[in-house]
Amino acid sequence: GAGVSQSPSNKVTEKGKDVELRCDPISGHTALYWYRQSLGQGLEFLIYFQGNSAPDKSGLPSDRFSAERTGGSVSTLTIQRTQQEDSAVYLCASSSGQGRSDTQYFGPGTRLTVL
Amino acid sequence: AQSVTQPDIHITVSEGASLELRCNYSYGATPYLFWYVQSPGQGLQLLLKYFSGDTLVQGIKGFEAEFKRSQSSFNLRKPSVHWSDAAEYFCAVGPGTSYGKLTFGQGTILTVHP
Repeated sequence: GAGVSQSPSNKVTEKGKDVELRCDPISGHTALYWYRQSLGQGLEFLIYFQGNSAPDKSGLPSDRFSAERTGGSVSTLTIQRTQQEDSAVYLCASSSGQGRSDTQYFGPGTRLTVL
Repeated sequence: AQSVTQPDIHITVSEGASLELRCNYSYGATPYLFWYVQSPGQGLQLLLKYFSGDTLVQGIKGFEAEFKRSQSSFNLRKPSVHWSDAAEYFCAVGPGTSYGKLTFGQGTILTVHP
């Protein structure tokens, strides 16, 4: 079946602009995660959604970052007033959200470059 | 708080040689442990995972890992490396629930010489 997809694959923006990154999880997966991968910080957790529960936003680095998940499926990560330090690869993952052997499957990522 | 340490930033091996990538974790309860591989420009691919039971787990592409609770380690091994194994490898620990964030190590870059 289809895996996790993300769009766009690359995004170049100017400092101060807003950007939206999209994630389509594996069909039927109730849990969805966003991570950020940067040279200085490695792989960092940002936020996750599980079903209808309130999202865990504990990893968001600032209030410029937000995410939503519509209809329990597609998710959008929004970064407002982008800064150069936001340049990174943003990875989305999904999992079934059930059972003790839950496993996250990752998309190819969106490479964000802030000029 | 959970944490993962991969002591080796970069490892170089010859094709056909054996490989061991180290991973040490810190977690208060029984950990869920994972190894992922990332090729240049690609996302993360799951190699193997440990939840419970047999401490030696088999994964894809001929990889295996052994969970050693006494050493808080989950080292990844392969008996004979292929040039296509060149990539970056990440160890991760997850919570002991059905879902939740993964905490990743800093990664180990593997270079394979012909």
